[in-house]
Amino acid sequence: NAGVTQTPKFQVLKTGQSMTLQCAQDMNHNSMYWYRQDPGMGLRLIYYSASEGTTDKGEVPNGYNVSRLNKREFSLRLESAAPSQTSVYFCASSELGNNYGYTFGSGTRLTVV
Amino acid sequence: GQQLNQSPQSMFIQEGEDVSMNCTSSSIFNTWLWYKQDPGEGPVLLIALYKAGELTSNGRLTAQFGITRKDSFLNISASIPSDVGIYFCAGRETTDSWGKLQFGAGTQVVVTP
Repeated sequence: NAGVTQTPKFQVLKTGQSMTLQCAQDMNHNSMYWYRQDPGMGLRLIYYSASEGTTDKGEVPNGYNVSRLNKREFSLRLESAAPSQTSVYFCASSELGNNYGYTFGSGTRLTVV
Repeated sequence: GQQLNQSPQSMFIQEGEDVSMNCTSSSIFNTWLWYKQDPGEGPVLLIALYKAGELTSNGRLTAQFGITRKDSFLNISASIPSDVGIYFCAGRETTDSWGKLQFGAGTQVVVTP
């Protein structure tokens, strides 16, 4: 049981390049999330998808787009990468409702030079 | 933005010592969760709390849901080297019908032999 799988684990981009971070979960969860983690700032929500077919902005959505491809997959796209987007990105999933925690992937470490 | 205040920001402790950290919110929560993040990995759920006053243990870890429903604490007893990592609190507001989690900024724990 893999849980939440993120690819790639590491990526270096040049300013202005684009890329898509992939996330897939095999727990049949309805909800999926993208977070970024920066030193001293904890986890900040970029976008989330409460259920298949819906996506909503989180706390820091600027510069990102997402696609909920199906129930399993939720991708995060950087159209024109900027150095400020250097961070560790985590995907997570959960069941819908108030009694569930999130299951996190192992992260993608992105550096924009 | 983030409404959870987690303290302390970091702790340097000796092996065998007890550790205590806490989290406070500006609003009433109906769920408190504690996560641990090992270096290079995603956060993993340690303890979940759902009722005011609830005290729950997981091995050497004990967490409590504050009576006011605006705080929670986590204790680690007799720390060992593998306790090193970042500990995050997370919670859900009672007014958030969908149940999105908010995260604290984390407590970095360093254990010295």
